Amino acid sequence: NAGVMQNPRHLVRRRGQEARLRCSPMKGHSHVYWYRQLPEEGLKFMVYLQKENIIDESGMPKERFSAEFPKEGPSILRIQQVVRGDSAAYFCASSPGVRGADYEQYFGPGTRLTVT
Amino acid sequence: DQQVKQNSPSLSVQEGRISILNCDYTNSMFDYFLWYKKYPAEGPTFLISISSIKDKNEDGRFTVFLNKSAKHLSLHIVPSQPGDSAVYFCAASENTDKLIFGTGTRLQVFP
Repeated sequence: NAGVMQNPRHLVRRRGQEARLRCSPMKGHSHVYWYRQLPEEGLKFMVYLQKENIIDESGMPKERFSAEFPKEGPSILRIQQVVRGDSAAYFCASSPGVRGADYEQYFGPGTRLTVT
Repeated sequence: DQQVKQNSPSLSVQEGRISILNCDYTNSMFDYFLWYKKYPAEGPTFLISISSIKDKNEDGRFTVFLNKSAKHLSLHIVPSQPGDSAVYFCAASENTDKLIFGTGTRLQVFP
């Protein structure tokens, strides 16, 4: 999927544990987006980040969820004290960030989180 | 509040024929629309997009049509191939980079 890397691909956590999902954008892309897909649903926007900045977090649950995209290294989506309802596929996408010919967001393979 | 709707959860088409996938939206401020294809256990793959200033965009076997007055867009695949069998999502954005996705249509192309 166009070079966006996500790890781990599968993550199992018990209720109350923390989950850390990582995303490395495509080379040359400075904009990262996180989406969540619950079973039998479409993808829902969570958060949009640029390096060291959160641009739009309107889709993030108010508690337990946080995201960062540091100057060096991958973007991290962190879920504290996971609950069964957090079980979903989490997708990261990246783009060059400028509307135009290469505006499209390119998605990684996703991390499937299972909370037991 | 589902701003982007794909009312057909599934579609079955014979190989070689045309596949038409439909998408409706409610937000008149959307100005960019995209189609993605998704296989199980993989991330969505970008197919084709269209700006609201256009009413048609074509790329090989894929054509997207936009009818702004009806708030409707469609994806035409012709000729359909078995490898096109997947879930197709339409998505829209409103002058931002946040994509609003529909719930998807599962396309099956049979020989």
